[in-house]
Amino acid sequence: QSALTQSASVSGSPGQSITISCTGTSSDVGGYNYVSWYQQHPGKAPKLIIYDVNNRPSGVSNRFSGSKSANTASLTISGLQAEDEADYYCSSYKRTNILAVFGGGTKLTVL
Amino acid sequence: EVHLVESGGGLVQPGGSLRVSCAASGFTFTTYSMHWVRQAPGKGLEWISYISGESTTIYYADSVKGRFTISRDNAKNSVYLQMSSLRAEDTAVYYCAKDRGGTGYYFDYWGQGTLLTVSS
Repeated sequence: QSALTQSASVSGSPGQSITISCTGTSSDVGGYNYVSWYQQHPGKAPKLIIYDVNNRPSGVSNRFSGSKSANTASLTISGLQAEDEADYYCSSYKRTNILAVFGGGTKLTVL
Repeated sequence: EVHLVESGGGLVQPGGSLRVSCAASGFTFTTYSMHWVRQAPGKGLEWISYISGESTTIYYADSVKGRFTISRDNAKNSVYLQMSSLRAEDTAVYYCAKDRGGTGYYFDYWGQGTLLTVSS
């Protein structure tokens, strides 16, 4: 049972936009602006794509954007591309000695 | 270019011990905290341990506290995870990850992972 709740799967066609949600509690997502998102392709290591709710690391496409409202964070991918097909994980700081809790992951399929 | 390379995974019997290592390059190692994150086969990610740059601050997830020990050798640009009293549920790919630094705890670079299988 993951600490944060994500839908298991989402799909979209090339060029479309999709949003992945991540629901936590006031003790994690709702309590801090320390939400991040990771992209993981099959057999590969995760890659940081969003941190501090809505900041992109250098080199990450601006098609990826993040937001948060209360206890729910969201990742939006616009202009879907085939290469976006991957698993996406949200993460949040929870407290000292629980530095990061993750969602169960959302599998994005590009139709 | 940042590079993290894990090693030391393998097959271990329940109750056994193993140490996995992570060799880092491409950044000033002592400046950054490091983490271990694991992923059971077909499952999601689980943060398990953190060590600050000078090893002054260490944290563990409850699932491994008392059984796993994180350490680092800044002279060798390496971080380690000593695992003991291993259980079947510890079976996972173990990733070392560099902390991004600044506020929050984010994993901005990851190694390729090393697989630990706990089975008799």
